[in-house]
Amino acid sequence: GAVVSQHPSWVICKSGTSVKIECRSLDFQATTMFWYRQFPKQSLMLMATSNEGSKATYEQGVEKDKFLINHASLTLSTLTVTSAHPEDSSFYICSARSFSGTSGSYEQYFGPGTRLTVT
Amino acid sequence: QKEVEQNSGPLSVPEGAIASLNCTYSDRGSQSFFWYRQYSGKSPELIMFIYSNGDKEDGRFTAQLNKASQYVSLLIRDSQPSDSATYLCAVADWGGAQKLVFGQGTRLTINP
Repeated sequence: GAVVSQHPSWVICKSGTSVKIECRSLDFQATTMFWYRQFPKQSLMLMATSNEGSKATYEQGVEKDKFLINHASLTLSTLTVTSAHPEDSSFYICSARSFSGTSGSYEQYFGPGTRLTVT
Repeated sequence: QKEVEQNSGPLSVPEGAIASLNCTYSDRGSQSFFWYRQYSGKSPELIMFIYSNGDKEDGRFTAQLNKASQYVSLLIRDSQPSDSATYLCAVADWGGAQKLVFGQGTRLTINP
């Protein structure tokens, strides 16, 4: 399957600072990437859909000015959590959509996730 | 509201037996169906996908799709303790909403 990487895998930051998380598709080009958040023992929550070369589409209730997404190339999307607060502490997971010529459809692969702790 | 329903479990299966995980979905326009495995503290891992009615086998895993009944399942044969995880069913209408809709996941425990 396709490989998606994320960096950093974990980060601790102070309240009020900003944190950038990178998501890369390593062996395929991804015109579309997704950003999810997951709190302990809860389901994945889609935050936004990131399309290369255009503005991200945010899910209802997600503050676009707080969670800045940039999808500048076909292999890289970044999520910046601005002015982070302790309630932003969570597991952030990116995912990239890959087109399979074999199946003629899209498949979606997840990165390993970034654990953010805001103190 | 497009929904994907799974039994949250926990589902407990003895080692070596067949684990059966079920999922129903509400959107008849759904075209692609995925099973992800998520270990505690880790991100989801794609283990199976299916697009056509019928069965698809990959090693110990078999996905089954019945679009008329809006039902997709995952069978795990010869279950191993390492199969213990949460299994997420996800459904996509790539031509429509352009995103996966996830079920809440079924927690599976394989007992040695």
